[in-house]
Amino acid sequence: EADIYQTPRYLVIGTGKKITLECSQTMGHDKMYWYQQDPGMELHLIHYSYGVNSTEKGDLSSESTVSRIRTEHFPLTLESARPSHTSQYLCASSGGLLSYNEQFFGPGTRLTVL
Amino acid sequence: QKEVEQNSGPLSVPEGAIASLNCTYSDRVSQSFFWYRQYSGKSPELIMSIYSNGDKEDGRFTAQLNKASQYVSLLIRDSQPSDSATYLCAVNEGDMRFGAGTRLTVKP
Repeated sequence: EADIYQTPRYLVIGTGKKITLECSQTMGHDKMYWYQQDPGMELHLIHYSYGVNSTEKGDLSSESTVSRIRTEHFPLTLESARPSHTSQYLCASSGGLLSYNEQFFGPGTRLTVL
Repeated sequence: QKEVEQNSGPLSVPEGAIASLNCTYSDRVSQSFFWYRQYSGKSPELIMSIYSNGDKEDGRFTAQLNKASQYVSLLIRDSQPSDSATYLCAVNEGDMRFGAGTRLTVKP
């Protein structure tokens, strides 16, 4: 069973604030991902990492940044939040020995920017 | 052209019926295929993976893969109201590509 954690689960902040969304996994997975999803809409990949010190932008342009200093940790940072950033942010990981490509998702962070 | 196509639905079936969810993909080199279930307001949950042509059964769920036709499907037998959710098809072609999802409603 996958163990992947996201904090906070819900966040309401004002415009212009800097925020960091945390994501951690305990499976030792190499690959980690950040998706953005609006209610009832499809997933959009915004960032991914194939290992420590590896980060790439995804298909959807995003003003956020990520870092991967430790295998288990993949935080996402918004330097200056705006109302257009209001969405659900989902972290996922993959790379298990028996199921290398299977992605497992965290519970998500629902962000509201006022 | 979208790489992973799903009928957005909504698909409505009565309780106890078979729900059939379909997905087509464009990249012939894709090797692994997945079905996720996503309840409203929740994150996607992996329910099936399939790698070879044919059928793979897990409880009430059967995944079917036809690489020649670039088609993967999910059958849910004896559908229950608790199966009401959005089902996402995902195809790994180096990178994972998700479909937009099919919303399924099972009516009591």
